Amino acid sequence: EAGVTQSPTHLIKTRGQQATLRCSPISGHTSVYWYQQALGLGLQFLLWYDEGEERNRGNFPPRFSGRQFPNYSSELNVNALELEDSALYLCASSRGREGRNEQFFGPGTRLTVL
Amino acid sequence: GEDVEQSLFLSVREGDSSVINCTYTDSSSTYLYWYKQEPGAGLQLLTYIFSNMDMKQDQRLTVLLNKKDKHLSLRIADTQTGDSAIYFCAETASGGYQKVTFGTGTKLQVIP
Repeated sequence: EAGVTQSPTHLIKTRGQQATLRCSPISGHTSVYWYQQALGLGLQFLLWYDEGEERNRGNFPPRFSGRQFPNYSSELNVNALELEDSALYLCASSRGREGRNEQFFGPGTRLTVL
Repeated sequence: GEDVEQSLFLSVREGDSSVINCTYTDSSSTYLYWYKQEPGAGLQLLTYIFSNMDMKQDQRLTVLLNKKDKHLSLRIADTQTGDSAIYFCAETASGGYQKVTFGTGTKLQVIP
């Protein structure tokens, strides 16, 4: 069974640009989560999509947005990039909100903002 | 809001036991997890414990939960160099779209 995949592996942008990160969940999973892991810090929850809808959102500005497609894959968009947006962005998927909601993580996209 | 705290760093010798501690504030926590992150990789779920349990053992891993003190620990017996990684504890409440809150992570260094 294929795991969670993310693309690209690395992304380099300059301040003010927009970044688009992509995630494909494990087959059969309907929930996709996005986390930001900045250097030296833990995981900060960004967004949760389930069945195509945004279900929960972390404490991030509106320039962080995303969507989930009918095949349950997801995009994270970061507009007006700032230097402090440089981080590893992790995507995770699960079967949804029921039960213990075990999340399976992808390898991440390393975003560098110059 | 919810808060999950861990010490940042732990160093142990190969063959010794490691104990990684975690405290949380959300009294409605239902599931508590331990994840492992190896360098350059995503997180891997190691084990979880339901809040009505005090202990769970899985091979070299033992999870202890003190719900009264909101304290969770992960003990790794016979620690190996391959156990060197960052370990995250996490918690979530049940029902609805309750997000999982992760701790800051503890970097475990195993000295050969």
